Amino acid sequence: AQKVTQAQTEISVVEKEDVTLDCVYETRDTTYYLFWYKQPPSGELVFLIRRNSFDEQNEISGRYSWNFQKSTSSFNFTITASQVVDSAVYFCALSDTGGYSGGGADGLTFGKGTHLIIQP
Amino acid sequence: EPEVTQTPSHQVTQMGQEVILRCVPISNHLYFYWYRQILGQKVEFLVSFYNNEISEKSEIFDDQFSVERPDGSNFTLKIRSTKLEDSAMYFCASSERVRDSAFGPGTRLTVL
Repeated sequence: AQKVTQAQTEISVVEKEDVTLDCVYETRDTTYYLFWYKQPPSGELVFLIRRNSFDEQNEISGRYSWNFQKSTSSFNFTITASQVVDSAVYFCALSDTGGYSGGGADGLTFGKGTHLIIQP
Repeated sequence: EPEVTQTPSHQVTQMGQEVILRCVPISNHLYFYWYRQILGQKVEFLVSFYNNEISEKSEIFDDQFSVERPDGSNFTLKIRSTKLEDSAMYFCASSERVRDSAFGPGTRLTVL
C-alpha cells in the first residue's frame, strides 16, 4: 500500500524567505509518479508538477524547485523568494500501479498537506 | 485551455436524501475520477472509471456511492442516502493518459 507523509502541518515565513516543504512517500512499486498540488483559499487544486520514478533530475520552474531523491523516498518542494500569493495548502501525492484492476486508472494518494503562510 | 467543470458549486441537502454531483470531463480524456476532501483534511481518492466501468475504488466508496457516465460528456457521482459525514468538497478529475489528471473546481456538499 502506498503512503505519503507531509510532516509539516503549517509553516509560516516572512515574504522573500526561501521555504522547503517536505514529502516522504512509501510504495512497493518500482514505477510510480509523484505530484505536487497547490490549494489556495479559493479551494481548487492547482497542478504544479508530475515526476516519474525513473527521472531523478531536479527541476526548476521560476521560483519553484523540486528535489527528488529515491534513496530517501523524498520529493521536496522549495519556493525561493516567497511571496504572499504563495500562501496556500500544498499537497504532495503519489500514484503507483497498486490498483486492483491493473487497468492503470489508479487514483492518487495524497499527503495531509502543508499549510504555508507567507507574511508580508 | 479546456478544463473540467463541475455543477453545482455548492449543494445543501438533508440527511437521508439522494444527491447527484455532476462533472463534465475534458472531451478527449479517457480516465475519470472522483475525490473527496473533508474540510481541513487531505484529499482522498474515491473511484476511477475507464471504458465505462469502475477501474478502482477505495474503502470509502461503499454501496451508498455510485458513478455513471450517462452520455458522452457527463460523469456523475450519486450518494444514495446522505449522512452528516458525507459533508465535504468533492473533486472530479479526468486524464487523457494515466496519471495526468486535471481537477475540476469541486462541489461543496453540505449535509444538514
